[in-house]
Amino acid sequence: DAGITQSPRHKVTETGTPVTLRCHQTENHRYMYWYRQDPGHGLRLIHYSYGVKDTDKGEVSDGYSVSRSKTEDFLLTLESATSSQTSVYFCAISGQTSGTSTDTQYFGPGTRLTVL
Amino acid sequence: QKEVEQNSGPLSVPEGAIASLNCTYSDRGSQSFFWYRQYSGKSPELIMFIYSNGDKEDGRFTAQLNKASQYVSLLIRDSQPSDSATYLCAVNNNDMRFGAGTRLTVKP
Repeated sequence: DAGITQSPRHKVTETGTPVTLRCHQTENHRYMYWYRQDPGHGLRLIHYSYGVKDTDKGEVSDGYSVSRSKTEDFLLTLESATSSQTSVYFCAISGQTSGTSTDTQYFGPGTRLTVL
Repeated sequence: QKEVEQNSGPLSVPEGAIASLNCTYSDRGSQSFFWYRQYSGKSPELIMFIYSNGDKEDGRFTAQLNKASQYVSLLIRDSQPSDSATYLCAVNNNDMRFGAGTRLTVKP
């Protein structure tokens, strides 16, 4: 998984509670991404980061926020979880240690989130 | 119309045959194209990327790109049961867009 870990790997929570997922990389890649994967929809981008404290929205960002205070960590927060956010969440990284961007993305192992 | 379209399958081929996976995309400005393999319950793993029109071969895998037709394909020669997985096509033009995937089953 190209030096990418995600935690937790599985989580069950209740509607209305906040949830934070963590992505940690040891590759020193510049770019980090959060996707969700749902049957019939493929992978959809939630948010991404192009550097420390630099983030932007993806196509399904409503209800999610992110933070990146260190190169190696990218956090995804569901401010008030809803059942529609039940999904598998993948973190991905891209870019070289030199800072030159490459667009090949490498994925973490995923987090399976269930919101009851 | 979805930005990246793939036949959801399942595509079933016998062991040793050639599996052909297809993908069409809508953004003519797309610059790079990727194929990922995803086993059930696992994360996507990169198989190949291709930037230029034509064929690119890597072992049993060949990616084919035709930008004029907005079409990219993946051929798997000598298919093995271990190739059974979902194959995701991804297209990049400043941001990556994924197809929903084609499920491939290789029968012994």
